[in-house]
Amino acid sequence: AQSVTQPDIHITVSEGASLELRCNYSYGATPYLFWYVQSPGQGLQLLLKYFSGDTLVQGIKGFEAEFKRSQSSFNLRKPSVHWSDAAEYFCAVGARAAGNKLTFGGGTRVLVKP
Amino acid sequence: DTEVTQTPKHLVMGMTNKKSLKCEQHMGHRAMYWYKQKAKKPPELMFVYSYEKLSINESVPSRFSPECPNSSLLNLHLHALQPEDSALYLCASSQASQQETQYFGPGTRLLVL
Repeated sequence: AQSVTQPDIHITVSEGASLELRCNYSYGATPYLFWYVQSPGQGLQLLLKYFSGDTLVQGIKGFEAEFKRSQSSFNLRKPSVHWSDAAEYFCAVGARAAGNKLTFGGGTRVLVKP
Repeated sequence: DTEVTQTPKHLVMGMTNKKSLKCEQHMGHRAMYWYKQKAKKPPELMFVYSYEKLSINESVPSRFSPECPNSSLLNLHLHALQPEDSALYLCASSQASQQETQYFGPGTRLLVL
């Protein structure tokens, strides 16, 4: 069975500083991976996804993520954080053999200081 | 357009009530999902419909009854809920083949009194 770990429950970053959110996955085959963002009381918005090919993936809102198979990681980065980036971020792994079932990490809450 | 809509936005119900949550998408997706999300937790999958047939039921109590009347609509019928069922209920949709992106709706915030 697949699993996802997001080691950081909370991260506080100053506006304009860089941000990196960690995600480690466990899956027996080649995974497909997602990052979603959720503002308080809202649904999940897709930031980016990795299915295959180029391991550096560009997403919306200036985010990017890098798939590293050797480290089983899919970390999310943004060079310069805006106050509007304060939210909960979820990494997820999809299982090809299980009806497109998504398994989510526990989430990382990002707080942005002015 | 990657929009999934959900109604109502908020719902308060008593433990003896019957209510329904509604989800709609017009992206031509043939897979639809219900998730439950408790505060400060990730979403947990409840049900998956593929081509209007229930394909996954994650051992959800029978007081939750899903229905997929057509390829664009997904309902979740609620009956005799417990206070611990209070949560954000999220609907998602995707293409029905493997390795597809799920698009989420804004959710229905449910409070069971």
